[in-house]
Amino acid sequence: GAGVSQSPSNKVTEKGKDVELRCDPISGHTALYWYRQRLGQGLEFLIYFQGNSAPDKSGLPSDRFSAERTGESVSTLTIQRTQQEDSAVYLCASSLAGGPNTQYFGPGTRLTVL
Amino acid sequence: QKEVEQDPGPLSVPEGAIVSLNCTYSNSAFQYFMWYRQYSRKGPELLMYTYSSGNKEDGRFTAQVDKSSKYISLFIRDSQPSDSATYLCAIIQGAQKLVFGQGTRLTINP
Repeated sequence: GAGVSQSPSNKVTEKGKDVELRCDPISGHTALYWYRQRLGQGLEFLIYFQGNSAPDKSGLPSDRFSAERTGESVSTLTIQRTQQEDSAVYLCASSLAGGPNTQYFGPGTRLTVL
Repeated sequence: QKEVEQDPGPLSVPEGAIVSLNCTYSNSAFQYFMWYRQYSRKGPELLMYTYSSGNKEDGRFTAQVDKSSKYISLFIRDSQPSDSATYLCAIIQGAQKLVFGQGTRLTINP
């Protein structure tokens, strides 16, 4: 079946602009995660959605970052007033439920802020 | 102190060699330990996971957890050029959040 998909695959933007990144999880997966991966670094947790529960936003680095999820489907990560330090690969993952279930990752969106 | 520490390498070995990749972690309460493999410009994929201490083997791959020293290892036997990738260790924190090490870039030379 189809895996996690993300769009766009690449995004180049100017400092100060807003960007929206999209994630389509695997059908039936109730849990969805966003991570950020800076060049040469591991992944940093950003936010976690599980069903209709309030999302865990503890990893969002500033109030310029926000995310939404429609039911148990698509999620959008929005970065307002982008800064150069926001340049990274943004990865989305989904799993059947929260907890120690396998997280399946998408290919990521490579964001470059000029 | 970072919750999970991993030597970023890079590590380069000849084909057929045994590879040892390692991480340390800070919190003795962690129970689930994972290894992800990430090819260039791809998302990570789960390779293996272990619960608590001990070894787990899957083909050429063995994951090992030593909770007394807070040390996790991944061994690759008979390494192949197709094993060239970045390997990331991770722990599960608070039942849903993955905390990753920095990743070790591995190259297997034919």
